[in-house]
Amino acid sequence: EDQVTQSPEALRLQEGESSSLNCSYTVSGLRGLFWYRQDPGKGPEFLFTLYSAGEEKEKERLKATLTKKESFLHITAPKPEDSATYLCAVLSGGQNFVFGPGTRLSVLP
Amino acid sequence: SQTIHQWPATLVQPVGSPLSLECTVEGTSNPNLYWYRQAAGRGLQLLFYSVGIGQISSEVPQNLSASRPQDRQFILSSKKLLLSDSGFYLCAGTIAYNEQFFGPGTRLTVL
Repeated sequence: EDQVTQSPEALRLQEGESSSLNCSYTVSGLRGLFWYRQDPGKGPEFLFTLYSAGEEKEKERLKATLTKKESFLHITAPKPEDSATYLCAVLSGGQNFVFGPGTRLSVLP
Repeated sequence: SQTIHQWPATLVQPVGSPLSLECTVEGTSNPNLYWYRQAAGRGLQLLFYSVGIGQISSEVPQNLSASRPQDRQFILSSKKLLLSDSGFYLCAGTIAYNEQFFGPGTRLTVL
């Protein structure tokens, strides 16, 4: 059974304090790993797709990396507007996406 | 680009009442469509998915049902709501199993 875990559950950073969020997965044949950002009361917003170990994607202050067992979302010099819940999901051999529980990020000014 | 519309945004219903949530897709054809439920502070629980008109797969036994009467329409229903049906309901779509695009969600409170 495909499983996704995320850590930490919650993270509080000062503005400018860089850190990383972790997504660990167990799947039978990874077809893609996805990162989303979700603001309170809204639907998730797509950030990145990673397909193979060693792949990296960047967007503004965010950088996602992938190994055979986990993915990291690195946040460099975060700003208060980066505060949100970050969700990780995997797609394996089936047709369904399995989501992790998310990491709630708070960036204080 | 693809867009998912959901309504209503919020809904308060008494226990035992029926439910109908609608999701429509704009900007693409033949999407795979999904209904998720998200409890407060939790991840997304897949309820139903559909790969085409009239084709529905259920992931979790419950008193909910789904239908896809048109290519870009996906409906979530219940004949009698339970307290445990409260939550944030999200409709999502994907093309060829690329990233999912989500609707704005419906906050359902069952009293």
